[in-house]
Amino acid sequence: GDSVTQMEGPVTLSEEAFLTINCTYTATGYPSLFWYVQYPGEGLQLLLKATKADDKGSNKGFEATYRKETTSFHLEKGSVQVSDSAVYFCALSEDTGRRALTFGSGTRLQVQP
Amino acid sequence: DVKVTQSSRYLVKRTGEKVFLECVQDMDHENMFWYRQDPGLGLRLIYFSYDVKMKEKGDIPEGYSVSREKKERFSLILESASTNQTSMYLCASSPPGTYGYTFGSGTRLTVV
Repeated sequence: GDSVTQMEGPVTLSEEAFLTINCTYTATGYPSLFWYVQYPGEGLQLLLKATKADDKGSNKGFEATYRKETTSFHLEKGSVQVSDSAVYFCALSEDTGRRALTFGSGTRLQVQP
Repeated sequence: DVKVTQSSRYLVKRTGEKVFLECVQDMDHENMFWYRQDPGLGLRLIYFSYDVKMKEKGDIPEGYSVSREKKERFSLILESASTNQTSMYLCASSPPGTYGYTFGSGTRLTVV
C-alpha cells in the first residue's frame, strides 16, 4: 500500500538557518503530494502541494518539488524564523481508488532565537 | 472563513462508555474524514465518507463506527471506549478530487 517516510525529529535550528525536511513516498499510481503544518494546540493546515511530477509547491517561503524519479518531496526554506516552530507532515493522495490522504509520522521543527 | 468544527477540545471518558465525537463543516464538502494522531505514528485514517449515508473503513477502524446523516456532519463513535483509544482525534473535509483537506482543531480524548 501507499506510505510516506519522513526524517525523524526534532530538528533544531537557529533563526535564519536553512531548513530541509526529507520526505519520500511509495505509491502505486500518480499521487498528489502535500505538506501540512501543525502549530502547537492547533489542527493541521495545508502548507503547499504539488499534483504532478516536477511541479514545485510554494507558500510562506517554503518550497517542495515533486521528484518522481527519486519518489521524494523534500521541504525547504532558506531562512527559518522562530514562528516556524511546528510539526510538519508530508502526505500523499492517490488519483484513483481510496483518494484519502496518507500521512508521514511528522517532523518537529524547533527554531531558536 | 471556511471551517471544520469539532464539538469538544478535550474529553475525559471512562472505560466502557459509548463516546460520540462530532464534526461539522460549513463548506458543502462531499468528503469527510476521521484520523487519530499519536506521537511517532503520525495520522492514521479511521473512517471516511464521500457522501451522505456513505462510509468506508480506513486503516484502523476496529473499535469505531461513524454516522453521516447530513452532508455537513460526520460523527465518530467509540462503541465501548478503551484506554488504547486515548488519542488526539482530527476531523477533516475536502471537495471532490485531489485537493488538500481542511482540518478541525482536534479533540483530545482521554479514556480512564
